[in-house]
Amino acid sequence: AQSVSQHNHHVILSEAASLELGCNYSYGGTVNLFWYVQYPGQHLQLLLKYFSGDPLVKGIKGFEAEFIKSKFSFNLRKPSVQWSDTAEYFCAVNARGNYGQNFVFGPGTRLSVLP
Amino acid sequence: EPEVTQTPSHQVTQMGQEVILRCVPISNHLYFYWYRQILGQKVEFLVSFYNNEISEKSEIFDDQFSVERPDGSNFTLKIRSTKLEDSAMYFCASSVGQGAGNTEAFFGQGTRLTVV
Repeated sequence: AQSVSQHNHHVILSEAASLELGCNYSYGGTVNLFWYVQYPGQHLQLLLKYFSGDPLVKGIKGFEAEFIKSKFSFNLRKPSVQWSDTAEYFCAVNARGNYGQNFVFGPGTRLSVLP
Repeated sequence: EPEVTQTPSHQVTQMGQEVILRCVPISNHLYFYWYRQILGQKVEFLVSFYNNEISEKSEIFDDQFSVERPDGSNFTLKIRSTKLEDSAMYFCASSVGQGAGNTEAFFGQGTRLTVV
């Protein structure tokens, strides 16, 4: 069974600070990897995704993530955060090639950016 | 831009009552999902649905839960006899996921279910 862990429960940063949120997964097969963001009171939105190819993927709003297969990691980064990045961030995994395979979410990391 | 829509946005029900949460997935999507998020907790998988049948379900999805695709557009989650602990935000999602399954899930705005 797949599982996803996220290193931090709550991260507090000042504006312009750099961000890195850790994500590790456990699964023996090939996976698709995602980062979703949930702004306060809103639904989940896709930030970025990795299916194959270049392990460094760029998403919306200046976010990027790097897939390191040997470490089973998919860490999210942003060089300079803004107050509007305050949200909950979820890493998710989906086993590639399985029909109807569900998306397994990590527990989430709450990011608070101080103005 | 196509989106997943859910109704109602907020449902209040008495314990023991049946509730039906409704979702309209994106029209060309083939895979449908229900997730829930208890306040302050992680997003939990409930069930996935493909080709008019459940393809996977979690331990949470017990006999009190059922899903249905009654027509070509709606995807519903029914809770037969609600409990206080069913209070949560319920998210519907859909994905294209044909063949290799390389696709993301698109989520609806959620239905906040409050059981009193």
